[in-house]
Amino acid sequence: EVQLLESGGGLVQSGGSLRLSCAASGFTFSNYAMSWVRQAPGKGLEWVSSLRGSGTSAFYTDSVKGRFTISRDNSKNTLYLQMNSLRAEDTALYYCAKGNSSSGMDVWGQGTTVTVSS
Amino acid sequence: QSVLTQPPSVSAAPGQKVTISCSGSSSNIGNKYVSWYQQLPGTAPKLLIFENNKRPSGIPDRFSGSKSGTSATLGITGLQTGDEADYYCGTWDTSLSGWVFGGGTKLTVL
Repeated sequence: EVQLLESGGGLVQSGGSLRLSCAASGFTFSNYAMSWVRQAPGKGLEWVSSLRGSGTSAFYTDSVKGRFTISRDNSKNTLYLQMNSLRAEDTALYYCAKGNSSSGMDVWGQGTTVTVSS
Repeated sequence: QSVLTQPPSVSAAPGQKVTISCSGSSSNIGNKYVSWYQQLPGTAPKLLIFENNKRPSGIPDRFSGSKSGTSATLGITGLQTGDEADYYCGTWDTSLSGWVFGGGTKLTVL
């Protein structure tokens, strides 16, 4: 069964850091681009960052550039999101998702909640 | 303000048909594949349509997608109460070098 399982969310003060993890199973992880997508309470989906299967070519939405870093360990089938200098507006449910612009994001995790207190 | 524009809400009676529009530009929908996602209350999004009009395995043919120019449309026929959800369109934007999503459309089955 293809599965994504996020972890690492929590409550952090403004300016703090968190590292999210996404453990993948059921598919050849290194063959696929992976993304982080977030959803603030009561709001729509917002793309955060994507990384190609090889680990090269990372992409970020403007609001997180310079603060967040996406990475992956293909030997551990795990995607990461290092989040520094967190702000209240980063408060959201963070999903990891598999896929690219052709296949669409075809597998989603259940999400991990990040709450930034000011 | 989302890069892709969707109506905030649509509604129809059980058994009827509904369409949800998604408007973009030449840097996204105009030159890239569109995908559609269904988010039932309290759950993660689920891929409904990819490459503009293809359905993943397990998605019923009541769901369809189309694209024309810089706009895309999701169609749902034979509406069921279980279809009540938020629906999002998404695609890659070449100018932004990132994914963009519509603001979401809440479907109510009356």
